[in-house]
Amino acid sequence: NAGVTQTPKFRVLKTGQSMTLLCAQDMNHEYMYWYRQDPGMGLRLIHYSVGEGTTAKGEVPDGYNVSRLKKQNFLLGLESAAPSQTSVYFCASSQGQGTTTGELFFGEGSRLTVL
Amino acid sequence: DAKTTQPPSMDCAEGRAANLPCNHSTISGNEYVYWYRQIHSQGPQYIIHGLKNNETNEMASLIITEDRKSSTLILPHATLRDTAVYYCITNSRHDKIIFGKGTRLHILP
Repeated sequence: NAGVTQTPKFRVLKTGQSMTLLCAQDMNHEYMYWYRQDPGMGLRLIHYSVGEGTTAKGEVPDGYNVSRLKKQNFLLGLESAAPSQTSVYFCASSQGQGTTTGELFFGEGSRLTVL
Repeated sequence: DAKTTQPPSMDCAEGRAANLPCNHSTISGNEYVYWYRQIHSQGPQYIIHGLKNNETNEMASLIITEDRKSSTLILPHATLRDTAVYYCITNSRHDKIIFGKGTRLHILP
């Protein structure tokens, strides 16, 4: 029962470096999401995907890019990391119900620190 | 898309029922109410959801008012492991999911 798996779980970057976070789900879900969570805050949606080959912007997309080349994977990229991107990143997936989300299944998070 | 309002924190004695309120006065007729919880820094975990009727599962009960403007999550016999942040959200479009800050529930021994 893997569910939603995120790699890596921890990463430290220097300002200006690039990196990719990988999210993999084994539930054949159509919809996938990337959130960030800052201390004392709720989750904010970065980007999402409603199916293989599709991506869309969420609430806070600037500084991030995503790709969904395979249905089971959703990649989040930082081209030039900034200290403001220090956060915990959560991936989620759902089967969806028409245009609405349905139950979200979350990964355990990826802690990113940008120095 | 509806926005929810929750108290920032609540206390509950261990073994007692924990009742967590949520206001969603602008909820649309076809929007569900979902509850999630986040234990420490783990990923949020689904608890329960409902549309109009009250719902119960092995984790909790969900009471939705007749006008659907508010709901209450009930943990019938709270344990220390229920200490977490609880989020009430309305099921809406993929780009409009708003988690907010939730309610931090403290279970007191």
